[in-house]
Amino acid sequence: DAGITQSPRHKVTETGTPVTLRCHQTENHRYMYWYRQDPGHGLRLIHYSYGVKDTDKGEVSDGYSVSRSKTEDFLLTLESATSSQTSVYFCAISLNRGNNEQFFGPGTRLTVL
Amino acid sequence: RKEVEQDPGPFNVPEGATVAFNCTYSNSASQSFFWYRQDCRKEPKLLMSVYSSGNEDGRFTAQLNRASQYISLLIRDSKLSDSATYLCVVNRPLLVTTDSWGKLQFGAGTQVVVTP
Repeated sequence: DAGITQSPRHKVTETGTPVTLRCHQTENHRYMYWYRQDPGHGLRLIHYSYGVKDTDKGEVSDGYSVSRSKTEDFLLTLESATSSQTSVYFCAISLNRGNNEQFFGPGTRLTVL
Repeated sequence: RKEVEQDPGPFNVPEGATVAFNCTYSNSASQSFFWYRQDCRKEPKLLMSVYSSGNEDGRFTAQLNRASQYISLLIRDSKLSDSATYLCVVNRPLLVTTDSWGKLQFGAGTQVVVTP
């Protein structure tokens, strides 16, 4: 158990509204990641962070922003939610063992109507 | 072409039987390899890392073939609880110093269904 929680676990929202998802970890891991998972696709990286205030884009970052003001919290914001952002969102941390083993939070199921 | 490709299955396996499946990866510079297990509507969980020499963890055996760029997973004496989707994951190295750990590339998963 890597001590990762995500909130909310489920959310239904309307197109055009802003949404913020929270990932919280208790073990001071430096690297944190946000992925989305859709049927027929592997997990795809949205954004990641390599330290407080240090973030970078992943492969599907359009329409998303992130912030990391504390080591333990990594926030993902959908500025103006669209139906194409309906997905399951997973947060992950890396244990920095050199091979980039990652451990995942329980996920947030987001539906944009 | 996807960086990591897997047969989606499902592989229907009688309890007690052996099942094996592969995944292929396209980036020859990939350095780390993993199998994750994902149950329906749950998060992926690390099953095992895959080493060049091959490795075994109980009933699970993983192999890496760098020359042909594929990874395999074999499950012996299948249990009902082995029913899940198995994700092949490859760590793609990066050259930027801010991200020395690289980025994981995920296959879409192979579904295994173990039947009584």
